[in-house]
Amino acid sequence: DAGITQSPRHKVTETGTPVTLRCHQTENHRYMYWYRQDPGHGLRLIHYSYGVKDTDKGEVSDGYSVSRSKTEDFLLTLESATSSQTSVYFCAIRHPWDNYGYTFGSGTRLTVV
Amino acid sequence: AQRVTQPEKLLSVFKGAPVELKCNYSYSGSPELFWYVQYSRQRLQLLLRHISRESIKGFTADLNKGETSFHLKKPFAQEEDSAMYYCALSRSSGSARQLTFGSGTQLTVLP
Repeated sequence: DAGITQSPRHKVTETGTPVTLRCHQTENHRYMYWYRQDPGHGLRLIHYSYGVKDTDKGEVSDGYSVSRSKTEDFLLTLESATSSQTSVYFCAIRHPWDNYGYTFGSGTRLTVV
Repeated sequence: AQRVTQPEKLLSVFKGAPVELKCNYSYSGSPELFWYVQYSRQRLQLLLRHISRESIKGFTADLNKGETSFHLKKPFAQEEDSAMYYCALSRSSGSARQLTFGSGTQLTVLP
């Protein structure tokens, strides 16, 4: 196991509903990231966290919020889901002793209908 | 602004043929570049990083600052190399380092 899990793995939701995705790590790492993966765009950073209650925006943060109340959990919330947020969402952690090593979760496939 | 460009969305080669996946970048600082691979419906995995100058699964990549390129090469492709490949650039921004990804190249190795 890579030490990082995402839940749920798949979700279908209706337009306008709030959705929360969870990223859980067992590695006690400080830095965590949320990306979305879309064809033709690669992975784009939504939000990241550099500690408990310390978060910042990435390049595609509109419509998303995050929270980190514990080191091990980083939550991504779609406040009011839209069809443009249909995507695969990946969480990642960065290893402090290996400044460039990121470990990714298995992803959450979200469909907004 | 930093940018990573992978000009080929799809690339097909025959087994045993050489393969080159192109990556160009623009960045005003000193770049730290990586290749990540994603096999079908699996998580992204780090393939190699330029600072290590390593060869993983027969792949190599050389940073060419003059041409701002970091192309991924393998002399003899194998069917198990079929995957999506992402070039990524690491940069400092705000309070954390961030990875900026290219749009990816889907490599298919034909039997």
